[in-house]
Amino acid sequence: GQNIDQPTEMTATEGAIVQINCTYQTSGFNGLFWYQQHAGEAPTFLSYNVLDGLEEKGRFSSFLSRSKGYSYLLLKELQMKDSASYLCAAMDSNYQLIWGAGTKLIIKP
Amino acid sequence: GAVVSQHPSRVICKSGTSVKIECRSLDFQATTMFWYRQFPKQSLMLMATSNEGSKATYEQGVEKDKFLINHASLTLSTLTVTSAHPEDSSFYICSARDPGQSDYEQYFGPGTRLTVT
Repeated sequence: GQNIDQPTEMTATEGAIVQINCTYQTSGFNGLFWYQQHAGEAPTFLSYNVLDGLEEKGRFSSFLSRSKGYSYLLLKELQMKDSASYLCAAMDSNYQLIWGAGTKLIIKP
Repeated sequence: GAVVSQHPSRVICKSGTSVKIECRSLDFQATTMFWYRQFPKQSLMLMATSNEGSKATYEQGVEKDKFLINHASLTLSTLTVTSAHPEDSSFYICSARDPGQSDYEQYFGPGTRLTVT
């Protein structure tokens, strides 16, 4: 079956770095997405990886290893506003998104 | 960037009544729109894929007679929850693809919080 695994909750300190891991198993693969979702709001797009390697976008970076079925989202210089849920989603061979349950990130001062 | 709106943002209805949720792409034409449901602390669950001018494709376990989807134009899709029950209370989110911008990215609406009493 298709499955996405990511930690349920993580805690980090303002100004620090945090890495959120995601492993996936899908029928075919057309890319890995990371979304940010604040409580009561819809997800907002952060990144898309389809090739192996690291993609850097400001304070956020995303990494993909297709052979390992693994991705991570790296957040640097954490700010209080980064407190949110981070959703990992893999696109399968039908171009459908398979969603993880999300990782709730708590930032402490 | 592409903008998707939803209306209403919140709705409370009585058990047994029907509720319509609208999803609009404001600055692009969306041939495909998606409807998701999200329960508290759970993942997004795809309910159906809506294609303009044709019948929606429903995911397994989603009752098509209960969740009516209409995609009558390239900028509007509607989800009607018929004979709503308290267990239908959830956060409903639509998304759309803008083929002019990206083949893969989905742009999400702000969501609709449905509470059935």
